[in-house]
Amino acid sequence: DAGVIQSPRHEVTEMGQEVTLRCKLISGHNSLFWYRQTMMRGLELLIYFNNNVPIDDSGMPEDRFSAKMPNASFSTLKIQPSEPRDSAVYFCASSYTGAYNEQFFGPGTRLTVL
Amino acid sequence: AQSVTQPDIHITVSEGASLELRCNYSYGATPYLFWYVQSPGQGLQLLLKYFSGDTLVQGIKGFEAEFKRSQSSFNLRKPSVHWSDAAEYFCAMTTGTASKLTFGTGTRLQVTL
Repeated sequence: DAGVIQSPRHEVTEMGQEVTLRCKLISGHNSLFWYRQTMMRGLELLIYFNNNVPIDDSGMPEDRFSAKMPNASFSTLKIQPSEPRDSAVYFCASSYTGAYNEQFFGPGTRLTVL
Repeated sequence: AQSVTQPDIHITVSEGASLELRCNYSYGATPYLFWYVQSPGQGLQLLLKYFSGDTLVQGIKGFEAEFKRSQSSFNLRKPSVHWSDAAEYFCAMTTGTASKLTFGTGTRLQVTL
C-alpha cells in the first residue's frame, strides 16, 4: 500500500488567495483526520470524518477553513481567503475505526502564505 | 477532560546511552496509548501502542514502553540510543469510543556522538 498521499507537498501563495490541500486515504480505512502543526501551537486536530461524515470540526479555526470528503477515499481542506497566520504544515491521517484508532499519517503539506 | 502531558520539551543523550521519555495522561479509565516519532520534515510514524494486556509493549526500532496505571504513565524507553533516533516524539491517547487522538506537546530528542 502506498500509504496516505498528500498533495501538494509544498505550497506558497499570497494572502487572499484560495488554497486547496488534498489527501488520499489508505485503501480500506474509513476515518480521516486533518491536523495542523506549527511551532507555536504544536499539533492541532482541525477536523475528522468517519465514513465520510464530519464528526468533530471544533478545531477548525474559522469560517475560512472548510473540509470535504467527496468520496470514501479522498478529502480536501480549503482555505479561502488565506492569511499569513495560516502558514503551517498540514497533515492528514487515516485509520480504520475497528483498529482502535491507530492513525497513519501522510507526509504533510507545508503551506506558506506571504 | 482527557489530556496528555510530556514534561520534557527537549532531551539530549549520548549515542549508546539509555533513553526514557516521560508521558502522563489524564483520563477516568484506561485509555488507548500511542507513541509516535517525527523526523525532521517528515510525517508522524507509529512506534508502538498499548490497548490492553501486557503492560510492557514492544515497538519498532528497538523501543518499548511501559503502562503504569497507578502513575497514569506510559514512558518510552530504549536501552541504547542511535544517532538516527534524533527526532521529535509524541505521546498520544484516545478512548475506546472516539476516533480522536489527543497528543502531548512532544519531546525533542538530540543525540550527541
